[in-house]
Amino acid sequence: SAVISQKPSRDICQRGTSLTIQCQVDSQVTMMFWYRQQPGQSLTLIATANQGSEATYESGFVIDKFPISRPNLTFSTLTVSNMSPEDSSIYLCSARQGQETQYFGPGTRLLVL
Amino acid sequence: GENVEQHPSTLSVQEGDSAVIKCTYSDSASNYFPWYKQELGKRPQLIIDIRSNVGEKKDQRIAVTLNKTAKHFSLHITETQPEDSAVYFCAASRWRDDKIIFGKGTRLHILP
Repeated sequence: SAVISQKPSRDICQRGTSLTIQCQVDSQVTMMFWYRQQPGQSLTLIATANQGSEATYESGFVIDKFPISRPNLTFSTLTVSNMSPEDSSIYLCSARQGQETQYFGPGTRLLVL
Repeated sequence: GENVEQHPSTLSVQEGDSAVIKCTYSDSASNYFPWYKQELGKRPQLIIDIRSNVGEKKDQRIAVTLNKTAKHFSLHITETQPEDSAVYFCAASRWRDDKIIFGKGTRLHILP
C-alpha cells in the first residue's frame, strides 16, 4: 500500500495570498490527484497531476487558480492562488499505482480569513 | 462526464441490524466501483471495490452488488457495530481515464 503525507496539515491564511501544499508518496505511483472536500461534503476532483506535463483540470477549476506541479513519480504540489474565504476547505492528495487501490493523504485543512 | 448519485444522505440503524446504501452512475463505460469509509477528521479509506465483470463481492460483514444494465450498485453492511458509524462514499471510474468520481456520501449512524 502507498503511504501519503501532506504538508502543511493545516494553515490559516489571509485573503489575496497563496499557499502551496506538498504531497509525498512513499513509493512511485503512476497517478496522482488533488481533491477538495468542504466540511460535511463529498470529495470533488480538482485535477489529475501528470508527471512531466501540465495537469488535467476538471470543469470549474483552472490552472491560474490551482497551479499543480509533479516533478517525479512520488511528489506533487498544489498551489491555491489569490485566496478568498470561499477557498476554505480540506485539500486531499490521492495516488494510485496502475489498477491498484487509490489511497488518500491526511488532507490539508485551509482557512482563509 | 460521469455523475454518481448516492442515497440516502443519512441512515440510522440499530446496532446488529443491516444497512444498505445505493448508488447510480451515468457513464456506461465505467467499470470500477470502489466504496470508501471516512471517519470524522480522517482520510477516506477503501473498504471494498467491485469491477464490472463481477456481480457481487463480499468481505466478511460487507458486500457490494453491481447491476451494470441498470447502472446501479449497492453497499450492504450486516450485523452493524458502533465502529461502522462514519460517512460512506461510493465512486465510479473508467480505468482508462483513471480518475474516480465520488457520490455525495451517506452518513451512517449506528444506534445502541
